[in-house]
Amino acid sequence: DTEVTQTPKHLVMGMTNKKSLKCEQHMGHRAMYWYKQKAKKPPELMFVYSYEKLSINESVPSRFSPECPNSSLLNLHLHALQPEDSALYLCASSPRPGQSTDTQYFGPGTRLTVL
Amino acid sequence: EDQVTQSPEALRLQEGESSSLNCSYTVSGLRGLFWYRQDPGKGPEFLFTLYSAGEEKEKERLKATLTKKESFLHITAPKPEDSATYLCAVHPRAGGFKTIFGAGTRLFVKA
Repeated sequence: DTEVTQTPKHLVMGMTNKKSLKCEQHMGHRAMYWYKQKAKKPPELMFVYSYEKLSINESVPSRFSPECPNSSLLNLHLHALQPEDSALYLCASSPRPGQSTDTQYFGPGTRLTVL
Repeated sequence: EDQVTQSPEALRLQEGESSSLNCSYTVSGLRGLFWYRQDPGKGPEFLFTLYSAGEEKEKERLKATLTKKESFLHITAPKPEDSATYLCAVHPRAGGFKTIFGAGTRLFVKA
């Protein structure tokens, strides 16, 4: 079963709020990813964790803070966001980070609206 | 610079009218090319991974092919439920964990 779950499905927050997005997979995958996707645009990579270590941070503003507590869980902590941060946030995982046969599997996403 | 270009941007078909979507890529060595289907407001659903020129993969009405410069997603006798955005992505050999996505082709199939 190639399932990645994300909670919540929808989130509305003010610019002064602190909230967190959660992602979970139980496929034994060793890499997990956060993407941001605006309407009618492709996903943009934000962060990559490989074997629970942060491997890529694509110059994302510090108001986004990732956390990987264990190999199955990935969080994205949000603080002092701006309205332009409103987007679909996607989590993905892949089984064999760094290997040529690696494929990413995506979760359903969290629709974030910042007021 | 590594780049992925998909065409057309949008494609409108009648039910049963077969067609192809194109994904052309420029990368410094290809580790893998991926096709995903994405419905509005949902995460991309994995369809295929292709690794080398000449490779083909099929799933129901979909068939993906790969050459050294491009990939095609052939849709045979499409149905309205095939309507979605189809994303192509490549994993460059020197790209580490990065996957480069094309902008997608929005497919509309009318009954």
